[in-house]
Amino acid sequence: AQSVTQPDIHITVSEGASLELRCNYSYGATPYLFWYVQSPGQGLQLLLKYFSGDTLVQGIKGFEAEFKRSQSSFNLRKPSVHWSDAAEYFCAVGAGEYGNKLVFGAGTILRVKS
Amino acid sequence: ETGVTQTPRHLVMGMTNKKSLKCEQHLGHNAMYWYKQSAKKPLELMFVYSLEERVENNSVPSRFSPECPNSSHLFLHLHTLQPEDSALYLCASSQERGSTGELFFGEGSRLTVL
Repeated sequence: AQSVTQPDIHITVSEGASLELRCNYSYGATPYLFWYVQSPGQGLQLLLKYFSGDTLVQGIKGFEAEFKRSQSSFNLRKPSVHWSDAAEYFCAVGAGEYGNKLVFGAGTILRVKS
Repeated sequence: ETGVTQTPRHLVMGMTNKKSLKCEQHLGHNAMYWYKQSAKKPLELMFVYSLEERVENNSVPSRFSPECPNSSHLFLHLHTLQPEDSALYLCASSQERGSTGELFFGEGSRLTVL
């Protein structure tokens, strides 16, 4: 069965510093991969997605992620974090014929210190 | 109108009450989902509706009863719930068949069972 592991429950970075959030997945076929962000009291917003092609994908708000099949990873990066990026981040793998049966990781809470 | 709207945003109910959560999507999608988000647990897929037919029920207790009267509306009927059912219930929609399966989420309904 498919699964997603986000090894870091909490991460704290200084404003302006770079960020990398880790995500490892388990899935037998070529995965559909997603990163979502959730601010307190809000639903989930899609940051970026990978289906095929270029393994480095660009998303909204200056985020990018790199798909590495050999490592079963899909890490999220941002070169310079802003205070407004403080939120919880979820990695997900899409199963099923259309990749829409999402299985989520447990999430990583990002804190930004000024 | 925002893409996916959930009502009510907050609900408090006793274990003997009957209540319903409502979800409406304005995106023209043909698939809708209920997810449960509990503290310290990954998001759990509960139900999937495609073209108004339930295509997935992930071993959800019968005290949760979904209803999808048309492709724009999804309900979750609640009765005789338990305190451990307290959680954030997220509705999502997507376009199956011909799309890449990304889900669009509502802001959630925060349920507290006393």
